[in-house]
Amino acid sequence: QKEVEQDPGPLSVPEGAIVSLNCTYSNSAFQYFMWYRQYSRKGPELLMYTYSSGNKEDGRFTAQVDKSSKYISLFIRDSQPSDSATYLCAMSYSGGGADGLTFGKGTHLIIQP
Amino acid sequence: GAGVSQSPSNKVTEKGKDVELRCDPISGHTALYWYRQSLGQGLEFLIYFQGNSAPDKSGLPSDRFSAERTGGSVSTLTIQRTQQEDSAVYLCASSSDGARVYEQYFGPGTRLTVT
Repeated sequence: QKEVEQDPGPLSVPEGAIVSLNCTYSNSAFQYFMWYRQYSRKGPELLMYTYSSGNKEDGRFTAQVDKSSKYISLFIRDSQPSDSATYLCAMSYSGGGADGLTFGKGTHLIIQP
Repeated sequence: GAGVSQSPSNKVTEKGKDVELRCDPISGHTALYWYRQSLGQGLEFLIYFQGNSAPDKSGLPSDRFSAERTGGSVSTLTIQRTQQEDSAVYLCASSSDGARVYEQYFGPGTRLTVT
């Protein structure tokens, strides 16, 4: 079993829809949870990070973490064609850098105009 | 301000040759990370530097891989005797310090193709 599981998609939704992206993980030691967006042939771009359980909102994006279920989500409201990209979840054990980040394989999102 | 930069953006090399990949982190960032992104494998963490020091090199895929960082800034990832399975995108990231591992900023990557 992979440490972090993420449905690769593609996930195709019409413009304006609410998008829900999810990851599950197996290691309860993860403390920090991140979402990155990656456009084709570009580096990942940090969208949001969350510590432990709870919600965090930033504009059209909301991140949720449920540590009891080992499940994290990213919601995108009022989706735009420019949101079409691969979305990567990532996790870390602590605030220390030595273990780096553990990534899901990414979900390919397509927003249809 | 300037983000993380990497060079070259693309590198094609013959099997058995050595390659050097370069990373310039965000100015003032003391923590630097290397990752590899292979088709179908996702992003794989390779090594972390705090300043010039890498406390754990066990994430490097084989002893053909080495990395160094000098002056607390630029880092190079060297792959000796390249193999076809080394073909991937090599990504570098930095954070203001190692405690902020959750706030990493990535460069555009170097796409390595071994023929």
